[in-house]
Amino acid sequence: DIQMTQSPSSVSASVGDRVTITCRASQGISSWLAWYQQTPGKAPKLLIYAASSLQSGVPSRFSGSGSGTDFTLTISSLQPEDFATYYCQQTNSFPHTFGQGTKLEIK
Amino acid sequence: QVQLQESGPGLVKPSETLSLTCTVSGGSISSHYWSWIRQSPGKGLEWIGYIYYSGSTNYNPSLKSRVTISLDTSKNQFSLKLSSVTAADTAVYYCARWLQEIYDYWGQGTLVTVSS
Repeated sequence: DIQMTQSPSSVSASVGDRVTITCRASQGISSWLAWYQQTPGKAPKLLIYAASSLQSGVPSRFSGSGSGTDFTLTISSLQPEDFATYYCQQTNSFPHTFGQGTKLEIK
Repeated sequence: QVQLQESGPGLVKPSETLSLTCTVSGGSISSHYWSWIRQSPGKGLEWIGYIYYSGSTNYNPSLKSRVTISLDTSKNQFSLKLSSVTAADTAVYYCARWLQEIYDYWGQGTLVTVSS
């Protein structure tokens, strides 16, 4: 299985801050990477797919980059509704695997 | 707008079989791939498997010996069966649609607790 490792596990930030979350795959996955946002009691919500493509309806302050083994999710200017847990997922090969999550908290 | 809704027992006894159904509305199940994913505090998000509308399946090797995913096109539903459950199978179970690159529509999730 491909292991996905996110860092940091948690981060504290303020509204208006720029935040970057990283995800590393244990082997190359080309651009087969997605990012999800999850709030308590809800299902994950797709933000980014193919490493850098913004899902329809997702605000442009979210962006993704990377290929191969190293990827980043950037939120350019945090809004109150962005405080949540973020997960990366690889869909390069089965079983599709997720990172352990990064919890974004209000400072 | 496609919507998915999980249903099934919230409590299952150890060694028994967990059975869940996902009802799809707003679109036909007779296309695309349909998946099950679970989330537990201990193991995070874990992909269980998928079924294609043709009936072909693919399962996580870690669960393959215990998992069956099936399709009922007449009811626009697909189902999950997980046999010989233990406390480690306690999780929130999600159904989702897979479009080759993305899991774009998810159910709200249903908590299944394995306990006697």
